[in-house]
Amino acid sequence: DTGVSQDPRHKITKRGQNVTFRCDPISEHNRLYWYRQTLGQGPEFLTYFQNEAQLEKSRLLSDRFSAERPKGSFSTLEIQRTEQGDSAMYLCASSPRTGPTEAFFGQGTRLTVV
Amino acid sequence: AQTVTQSQPEMSVQEAETVTLSCTYDTSENNYYLFWYKQPPSRQMILVIRQEAYKQQNATENRFSVNFQKAAKSFSLKISDSQLGDTAMYFCAFSGNQFYFGTGTSLTVIP
Repeated sequence: DTGVSQDPRHKITKRGQNVTFRCDPISEHNRLYWYRQTLGQGPEFLTYFQNEAQLEKSRLLSDRFSAERPKGSFSTLEIQRTEQGDSAMYLCASSPRTGPTEAFFGQGTRLTVV
Repeated sequence: AQTVTQSQPEMSVQEAETVTLSCTYDTSENNYYLFWYKQPPSRQMILVIRQEAYKQQNATENRFSVNFQKAAKSFSLKISDSQLGDTAMYFCAFSGNQFYFGTGTSLTVIP
């Protein structure tokens, strides 16, 4: 098991373009989280999945953001009509079960909107 | 809603000395875990130490230990014999039905 994998590691896009990030969790982890982190700040919760079901979305997640986890395996996070304020590190984490447990993080996707 | 508060944005410590990072949290849940994660510059978030709320004994992991005060909802991290490689952002995190993070403490170990 190679851990949580995120792709791409870096993405530079022009304002107004759409971008999609992928996260591959640790095998058999049924929980998957997305967070956004700006420089010097802690991770801000965006959304999480229990298997393929999206159970919660933050109010930070505007209509331009959408996440999916088809078949309860990998997940994608899409940002439509990107804005400069979307520039951040997008972190994915997975955990093996519901309830209190450790989360394992990927290396993140750094998005720069120019 | 759960909240996690880290009131020390930045701290520094001399190499080989001891430093304590503070964290408080608020929750109405009874079953939860608390964590300290370390994030070196431009590096991946990694787990430092974990504390199950139902355990009274404070967790220790080599040079890292916690002081868990459940009634006070306090969860501090003590780093002994600080090393240069300990320089990083440290995040306190709460895990119940969901994960919540504090805003982090930037720790610098001075040679």
